[in-house]
Amino acid sequence: DTEVTQTPKHLVMGMTNKKSLKCEQHMGHRAMYWYKQKAKKPPELMFVYSYEKLSINESVPSRFSPECPNSSLLNLHLHALQPEDSALYLCASSQDPGSTNQETQYFGPGTRLLVL
Amino acid sequence: KNQVEQSPQSLIILEGKNCTLQCNYTVSPFSNLRWYKQDTGRGPVSLTIMTFSENTKSNGRYTATLDADTKQSSLHITASQLSDSASYICVVAAYYGNNRLAFGKGNQVVVIP
Repeated sequence: DTEVTQTPKHLVMGMTNKKSLKCEQHMGHRAMYWYKQKAKKPPELMFVYSYEKLSINESVPSRFSPECPNSSLLNLHLHALQPEDSALYLCASSQDPGSTNQETQYFGPGTRLLVL
Repeated sequence: KNQVEQSPQSLIILEGKNCTLQCNYTVSPFSNLRWYKQDTGRGPVSLTIMTFSENTKSNGRYTATLDADTKQSSLHITASQLSDSASYICVVAAYYGNNRLAFGKGNQVVVIP
């Protein structure tokens, strides 16, 4: 099983709403990632979790709050978002969070978020 | 300045024809280079991953080459199919990169019948 799943597939929310994006993998990977991708642009790294600990936060605004409840799950909690936060949010995982960066990252299908 | 440059930005090819996509990078020290295929609105799917000691790697009709001396890679698509229409993203990992990847902007390929 080389699958990363994400829910929901689509999400529309208002600027005052609170919502969460979910990501799950059962490959035994110990590194998990959140990326944001705008149309016709490459993915931009937001957060990295290594062994369920936050290891990288790319200066993401606090209205995005990641959470890693266990080694298979990764959440992204959303609150008071802005219309410019509308994008495709991608989750990825890789086997070994080691510093040599050798592992392939497997991406989920993404959640398409629209903020009104 | 982007550390990974891809060309052409977009191209249209006839079904059944071949095409080659280019990737130049400046990431150093180099760990590996990956090619991903991304359908519109979907997550990227890994096609190949190559370390500095590998010159070529194939995945079905996709063949990637790597010249670590000139820091260039190419992705060759043989006998294109309509389902090959997608963005092809070159991604380079630095050694000791702490899981950060450098993404190219992608080659947008459209295959027409």
